[in-house]
Amino acid sequence: QKEVEQNSGPLSVPEGAIASLNCTYSDRVSQSFFWYRQYSGKSPELIMSIYSNGDKEDGRFTAQLNKASQYVSLLIRDSQPSDSATYLCAVNPDTDKLIFGTGTRLQVFP
Amino acid sequence: DAMVIQNPRYQVTQFGKPVTLSCSQTLNHNVMYWYQQKSSQAPKLLFHYYDKDFNNEADTPDNFQSRRPNTSFCFLDIRSPGLGDAAMYLCATSTVGQLQPQHFGDGTRLSIL
Repeated sequence: QKEVEQNSGPLSVPEGAIASLNCTYSDRVSQSFFWYRQYSGKSPELIMSIYSNGDKEDGRFTAQLNKASQYVSLLIRDSQPSDSATYLCAVNPDTDKLIFGTGTRLQVFP
Repeated sequence: DAMVIQNPRYQVTQFGKPVTLSCSQTLNHNVMYWYQQKSSQAPKLLFHYYDKDFNNEADTPDNFQSRRPNTSFCFLDIRSPGLGDAAMYLCATSTVGQLQPQHFGDGTRLSIL
C-alpha cells in the first residue's frame, strides 16, 4: 500500500525561527513531490514542488528531497504567525494521482 | 485569473436528500478530481476524469456519482447523503503528467441535518 507519513504535530516555533516539516513515503518509483498549505476551513494551496534530489528554494521556503531515503522536507525560514497552518505532503507515484499525508499542524507564536 | 471555482461554498441538506456540488475551471486542464476531506484527515480521492474518461476509486461508495459534461465543468452527486458524508468536498485540476501539481478550488462544506 502506497503511504505518505507525516508527524501530525502540532509543531510550535517562535516567530522568526526556522520550521522544519518532514515527510516519508513508501513508493520508491515516486517522481514528484509537493507541499500544500491548508489554513483551517480552507482548501490546500500549492506552495512548493520538487522533482530532483537536493534542495529547492523559493523565498522563505526550501524543499529538500532525498529519494534514496524516501524523505522530503520543507523548511520555512523567518517563520511568521501567518504561516500557522497545516502543511500537507503529497507524492505522485502514478500518472495522475496524488497520495497525501495527513498533514503537520504548524503553530508560530509571537 | 485562471482558477478553479466551486459552488456553493456551504451546502446544507437533509439526510437522504440528493445534493449536487459543482466545479468549474478556466485553466483548461484535462484532469479533474473530486476529494472528500474530513477534519484532521488527508484529502481522500473519490474519482477523477481524464478528459471524459471516468476513473472511480475502488473504495468510493456507490452513493457518490459524478458527471463531466465538458472540459470546464464537473459535478459531484450524492444520491442519498448520510451523516457520515458531512465533510469538505474539494475539486482539483491538473494537466496530464506525473510531474504536474493539482490546483484546488475553495471547496464546498457539506452539512447533513
